[in-house]
Amino acid sequence: GQNIDQPTEMTATEGAIVQINCTYQTSGFNGLFWYQQHAGEAPTFLSYNVLDGLEEKGRFSSFLSRSKGYSYLLLKELQMKDSASYLCAPRGSSASKIIFGSGTRLSIRP
Amino acid sequence: DVKVTQSSRYLVKRTGEKVFLECVQDMDHENMFWYRQDPGLGLRLIYFSYDVKMKEKGDIPEGYSVSREKKERFSLILESASTNQTSMYLCASSSGGSAASEQYFGPGTRLTVT
Repeated sequence: GQNIDQPTEMTATEGAIVQINCTYQTSGFNGLFWYQQHAGEAPTFLSYNVLDGLEEKGRFSSFLSRSKGYSYLLLKELQMKDSASYLCAPRGSSASKIIFGSGTRLSIRP
Repeated sequence: DVKVTQSSRYLVKRTGEKVFLECVQDMDHENMFWYRQDPGLGLRLIYFSYDVKMKEKGDIPEGYSVSREKKERFSLILESASTNQTSMYLCASSSGGSAASEQYFGPGTRLTVT
């Protein structure tokens, strides 16, 4: 079966660091995406991991452990505009099809 | 700049009506997708297409059909709209092949069926 588990909500303080965890089970595996979605808007691509380890992209980093079925998104130097939902999205055996989690709604307080 | 457009941002239809949602992408992408997004359920795949005139069922195809007559356009059809099809509908596209290819999303259509 296919299953994605991530926290429903998180709160963090402006300027701080937050880590959003995701565990997944898929039929086959061809990489994992993270997307950001602001309220009322479409998701936008943040990162992609296909090999184990950390991928860094400015203030955002994403980590993958394929053997554990685990990924996290790390956001540093949080800004108010980072308040959004973050969607963990592994790609299963189909090269084109991505499976989306329900997302983690992150709220940033001043 | 990549672009996926959807025909309407907001749509209100009556139960039993036939509804067409249109999506156009200008990136020459092979793959196109239709999702619906509901609170607590995340994005659920309705149908996708990996080539012109080709389509595959996603996780929740019941009550929907699709059409892809041209590479840039992917239409979602609700044959007889029902109130449980009230949702946000998102179209996406991606390039083909097994290489990493993120999906680009349109702005979404919020459909209300009364």
